[in-house]
Amino acid sequence: GAGVSQSPRYKVAKRGQDVALRCDPISGHVSLFWYQQALGQGPEFLTYFQNEAQLDKSGLPSDRFFAERPEGSVSTLKIQRTQQEDSAVYLCASSPMERYEQYFGPGTRLTVT
Amino acid sequence: TQLLEQSPQFLSIQEGENLTVYCNSSSVFSSLQWYRQEPGEGPVLLVTVVTGGEVKKLKRLTFQFGDARKDSSLHITAAQPGDTGLYLCLYPGGGADGLTFGKGTHLIIQP
Repeated sequence: GAGVSQSPRYKVAKRGQDVALRCDPISGHVSLFWYQQALGQGPEFLTYFQNEAQLDKSGLPSDRFFAERPEGSVSTLKIQRTQQEDSAVYLCASSPMERYEQYFGPGTRLTVT
Repeated sequence: TQLLEQSPQFLSIQEGENLTVYCNSSSVFSSLQWYRQEPGEGPVLLVTVVTGGEVKKLKRLTFQFGDARKDSSLHITAAQPGDTGLYLCLYPGGGADGLTFGKGTHLIIQP
């Protein structure tokens, strides 16, 4: 079946621009996670949804970052007024249940110029 | 958030050699997961270890969870170029524990 998909795969934004990154999880997966991965580093947790409820957003680096999953399926990570330090790969993962295996998408590489 | 330290950070060896990479913490974990990530892709789960002292084998890869459930190791026998990648350990904690990845071990197997 289809895996986790993310779009766009690549995004170049000018400093100060708003961006929206989309994640389509595996159908029926309850849990959805967003991570930020800097070049050469491991992924850093951003936020976690169980169905439409955002249960943990402790990893969001600032109030410019906002995530939603209104119908418990597709999720969007929005970054307002992008800064150069936001340049990274943003990974989305879904899971049948909390603490189970996570299935990752290919990521969106964001470059802020 | 519970901290996971992975070592070594980088490892480059010749095809056919054996190697071990480590994932350590001062905290006790209920479980640990190992993932491998290749360039331009998301991480893919290799194994989940749950019981202290547990050993799991996946072809040439052997995973061990420490008796005290504070550390884990991954041993690769007769490494091949296809083993090249970023190896990550993850504590899939729930609730306030958050989700913690180690920084990973970058492994390069040279033909």
